[in-house]
Amino acid sequence: DAKTTQPPSMDCAEGRAANLPCNHSTISGNEYVYWYRQIHSQGPQYIIHGLKNNETNEMASLIITEDRKSSTLILPHATLRDTAVYYCIVRVHEGGGSNYKLTFGKGTLLTVNP
Amino acid sequence: NAGVTQTPKFRVLKTGQSMTLLCAQDMNHEYMYWYRQDPGMGLRLIHYSVGEGTTAKGEVPDGYNVSRLKKQNFLLGLESAAPSQTSVYFCASSYPITGSNEAFFGQGTRLTVV
Repeated sequence: DAKTTQPPSMDCAEGRAANLPCNHSTISGNEYVYWYRQIHSQGPQYIIHGLKNNETNEMASLIITEDRKSSTLILPHATLRDTAVYYCIVRVHEGGGSNYKLTFGKGTLLTVNP
Repeated sequence: NAGVTQTPKFRVLKTGQSMTLLCAQDMNHEYMYWYRQDPGMGLRLIHYSVGEGTTAKGEVPDGYNVSRLKKQNFLLGLESAAPSQTSVYFCASSYPITGSNEAFFGQGTRLTVV
């Protein structure tokens, strides 16, 4: 299984861009990078995912390096409500067929300050 | 659309008691998962299911059993609860669309074993 490494915590000023890094140096060619976040006491929430190309949606942008060994989640204008734990996950593929599962690490606690 | 619903939301058990946690999804998802989250930790996968009538072990399956008799429901059972099983339990579901595995999470069940 490809594993990920994230800093345990980061701070960001409200209104500024938050850039959350993730290393996944053992990622395989057909594995996707997913980002989820968990606001205190709530269930995790999907943010974005990508394979090779950069991706953008209404919540965030995902930048994946050309060698795919690392990625960065960008929240362009962070708000106080973006304070959460952010998880970078590489989707594993176990066995034959379609046994997909998500393996969560400890993530990065992003604190957005006023 | 209710999404993923977990029942109950809170429960206190005595050591040795048994209980069943119910997860229900109304999105016709094939995959369902049970995770536990201990204070300050990431989510750890207990068991998962890739379809009705099938289950598989995750990272921390000991002390738990699961059943997926109906596609929309995934039950997590504790036969003889132990204090080490005090945790927040999250259920999730997803649909195996090629290239995407966005998972939807319930709001959690907070279980205390005394």
